[in-house]
Amino acid sequence: GAGVSQSPSNKVTEKGKDVELRCDPISGHTALYWYRQSLGQGLEFLIYFQGNSAPDKSGLPSDRFSAERTGGSVSTLTIQRTQQEDSAVYLCASSQQGSAQPQHFGDGTRLSIL
Amino acid sequence: LAKTTQPISMDSYEGQEVNITCSHNNIATNDYITWYQQFPSQGPRFIIQGYKTKVTNEVASLFIPADRKSSTLSLPRVSLSDTAVYYCLVGDGEAGTALIFGKGTTLSVSS
Repeated sequence: GAGVSQSPSNKVTEKGKDVELRCDPISGHTALYWYRQSLGQGLEFLIYFQGNSAPDKSGLPSDRFSAERTGGSVSTLTIQRTQQEDSAVYLCASSQQGSAQPQHFGDGTRLSIL
Repeated sequence: LAKTTQPISMDSYEGQEVNITCSHNNIATNDYITWYQQFPSQGPRFIIQGYKTKVTNEVASLFIPADRKSSTLSLPRVSLSDTAVYYCLVGDGEAGTALIFGKGTTLSVSS
C-alpha cells in the first residue's frame, strides 16, 4: 500500500519568500505529525493533528510557521518570510489512533533558503 | 517523556551481530520502547517495539530487562545495507504524543 507522500521532495527558495510543503498521510491514519531535521541532527517536533481535535502547535518555532489539515487527510505546512535558518528537511509522519502505534514517515522535503 | 541515552556511533563488519543499548532510567509504567532506522535522504522507518522481555521480528530483536531502564536492539548478521542511524524512543504512544528523537546511533558496517 502507499506510504506517506510528501511534496515537493526538494525546494529551493529565496530568503523572505513563503513556502508550502504538502503531506499525504497513509489512508485511515488519523494522527499526523510534522518534524524538522537539520543536517546531522535528530528530529524536532513541530505540530501534531489528531482527527478533528485542535492541533498541538507547541513545537512551532515562530509565528511564521503554520499548518493545516483539510478533511482529516492532507496537510500543508506553510513557512512565511523564510529565513536561512529554516533550511532543513521537513518530515511528515502519520499513525493510527491508539497507544503505541508506530509512526510512518515520508521521505521529507529538503528546504534550502538562499 | 522519558529521556534516552545511546552511543553516538558504532562500527561493525559484515556478518557480525550488532547490539545497540539504550538507557531510559525514567521510563514510565505506560511507556513503550520503539526503535527506528534512518537512511540518508529518507525518513525514519519503524523497526521494532516492545514493552518488556524480548520481542523478535524479521529484522531485529529487542531485549528489555525486568526493570525496563534500558533496552538493547540486536541486529543479527549485519550487512553493508544496515549502515544507518538508529533511534531509540520511549513513550506511551497515546494520541498527541510526539516522538522525541535524539541524535541516535550511527552504525557503520564495513566489509
